[in-house]
Amino acid sequence: DQQVKQNSPSLSVQEGRISILNCDYTNSMFDYFLWYKKYPAEGPTFLISISSIKDKNEDGRFTVFLNKSAKHLSLHIVPSQPGDSAVYFCAAAIGTSYGKLTFGQGTILTVHP
Amino acid sequence: NAGVTQTPKFRVLKTGQSMTLLCAQDMNHEYMYWYRQDPGMGLRLIHYSVGEGTTAKGEVPDGYNVSRLKKQNFLLGLESAAPSQTSVYFCASSYSRDNSYNEQFFGPGTRLTVL
Repeated sequence: DQQVKQNSPSLSVQEGRISILNCDYTNSMFDYFLWYKKYPAEGPTFLISISSIKDKNEDGRFTVFLNKSAKHLSLHIVPSQPGDSAVYFCAAAIGTSYGKLTFGQGTILTVHP
Repeated sequence: NAGVTQTPKFRVLKTGQSMTLLCAQDMNHEYMYWYRQDPGMGLRLIHYSVGEGTTAKGEVPDGYNVSRLKKQNFLLGLESAAPSQTSVYFCASSYSRDNSYNEQFFGPGTRLTVL
């Protein structure tokens, strides 16, 4: 039972354009959502997060949007750069559960020069 | 400040052999976690620890044991390895702060192959 789903295994975007990565979840108890970025042969690194009391959080080129009624979140990268090419994981947590994360399957983003 | 380190980076085992993966963090984090990553499945939590001397089961704990004798170290053991345990293993750690969520910091991973 996959509680966090990333239905697009891959996404290809031209440099300078917007990248939109999507994530859906089923557990309404989740109240914190994070995006991690992973390069080959490295561990995931934290990118951006959002709490369920907000619907948007911005950090430079990265913006995360949360639609609680649809149980959907998305990560926007504007403008996309070749260095953004990586695997992006969506993750969710329940605030009282000792920080345990439930991850999606990941989306491979390729940004072409 | 090395962050989260994992030993070894690669290992090949035969079915039935045992091994221990070591995770160390120098950030004085209370919480530590072990995940496995398999193709098409993201990362899944194996076991976690909320403090020295405490451990708890995650989503996929079968076939693994853990110990946290020191705050900075979290060990993952495979008593009798099986081919289904072929995976990439990631350790992570985080602070515990009241009323806020804190992101996890991940190690570089251990690639384990069980033949």
